[in-house]
Amino acid sequence: GAVVSQHPSWVICKSGTSVKIECRSLDFQATTMFWYRQFPKQSLMLMATSNEGSKATYEQGVEKDKFLINHASLTLSTLTVTSAHPEDSSFYICSAGRTGETQYFGPGTRLLVL
Amino acid sequence: SQQGEEDPQALSIQEGENATMNCSYKTSINNLQWYRQNSGRGLVHLILIRSNEREKHSGRLRVTLDTSKKSSSLLITASRAADTASYFCATVPRGSQGNLIFGKGTKLSVKP
Repeated sequence: GAVVSQHPSWVICKSGTSVKIECRSLDFQATTMFWYRQFPKQSLMLMATSNEGSKATYEQGVEKDKFLINHASLTLSTLTVTSAHPEDSSFYICSAGRTGETQYFGPGTRLLVL
Repeated sequence: SQQGEEDPQALSIQEGENATMNCSYKTSINNLQWYRQNSGRGLVHLILIRSNEREKHSGRLRVTLDTSKKSSSLLITASRAADTASYFCATVPRGSQGNLIFGKGTKLSVKP
């Protein structure tokens, strides 16, 4: 159990376009989902905390208008990178779980902005 | 930054040898977890140790936690070439919603 999926796994887009990444908990309900970003050869950095039915909480330095997060149901959170630029190219990973309990990670989405 | 530190940053050993990686963190924690990541892939959860535990074993893995020093170590015994990966420690800060604060990672290379 405790499977988290992400879609797409790979996306290449042109600069200026918007990209939506989905994070789904397949066999459990997740009250909290987290979005992380990982640049090449670096560690994971928390971008935002997404709670079902409420606004996301963003970490310092993460632009909320650029990285739109929606957690409309207990099994789905989406991250939209608006007006993507090459510097947004990164590996985006979500995790899902019940608030305060173990988080389960998705397989990640690799974004390349040309 | 709340990010922890890991050392060494890179470790190269021969198959069969033991590999030890260390992690330090800055805040009070609920638990500390170790993850493995193969190049360009997702995370694999290895082991979780709670703040009231001092040592934990799982197969060839041994994790220690010293909350007074805010440090942890991961020992992989009898390493295999398949253990080649990056290893990250991650802490769940006390009072948080469960988000993880990741260390910078150790890149382990096990030569056959």
